[in-house]
Amino acid sequence: ETGVTQSPTHLIKTRGQQVTLRCSSQSGHNTVSWYQQALGQGPQFIFQYYREEENGRGNFPPRFSGLQFPNYSSELNVNALELDDSALYLCASSRIAGGRYTGELFFGEGSRLTVL
Amino acid sequence: SQQGEEDPQALSIQEGENATMNCSYKTSINNLQWYRQNSGRGLVHLILIRSNEREKHSGRLRVTLDTSKKSSSLLITASRAADTASYFCTINTDKLIFGTGTRLQVFP
Repeated sequence: ETGVTQSPTHLIKTRGQQVTLRCSSQSGHNTVSWYQQALGQGPQFIFQYYREEENGRGNFPPRFSGLQFPNYSSELNVNALELDDSALYLCASSRIAGGRYTGELFFGEGSRLTVL
Repeated sequence: SQQGEEDPQALSIQEGENATMNCSYKTSINNLQWYRQNSGRGLVHLILIRSNEREKHSGRLRVTLDTSKKSSSLLITASRAADTASYFCTINTDKLIFGTGTRLQVFP
């Protein structure tokens, strides 16, 4: 148990729809990172939120967006879903102090999205 | 590239044998971390080794770091079927980036 919870665990959407995934970070952590993991691949960095602002972004289009709330929980929103968006979406929390990571990432169990 | 690259891509061994997987990277680092992922689950942190350390142990895990060669290795001794998973290394930059991992299969 990492203390990071994600919801929903599984969901099915159709092309063109929108989806919101949620993540509650571990107590004491101020940073949330989101990753997309396609089958058989490593996790791909989507973006990171720190102090409620985006703090870095991977190679993902603007239809991937996020939020971080004052309690450090976070949402990932994906608009205009495409078939290739089918993947496991992982949220990870961590702590940044003095502008640097202070340790490891703690991952949730992921939300598996299927786009039909 | 701000990520580690694992090698081999896949590894199959019998229970009781040792498993060694390697990680190479291209930039200077503050630390390097290894993670494990059971199929379809979240990643679990295994061990962190700092750039001024050469070797670190945690239970049956042994990690080495050679900053001159920009490489690290993870050794799992006396492997068990429960060690079957994918293993990822990642280097400490401001964002943790993962490679494609090593898929380890341990047969009973």
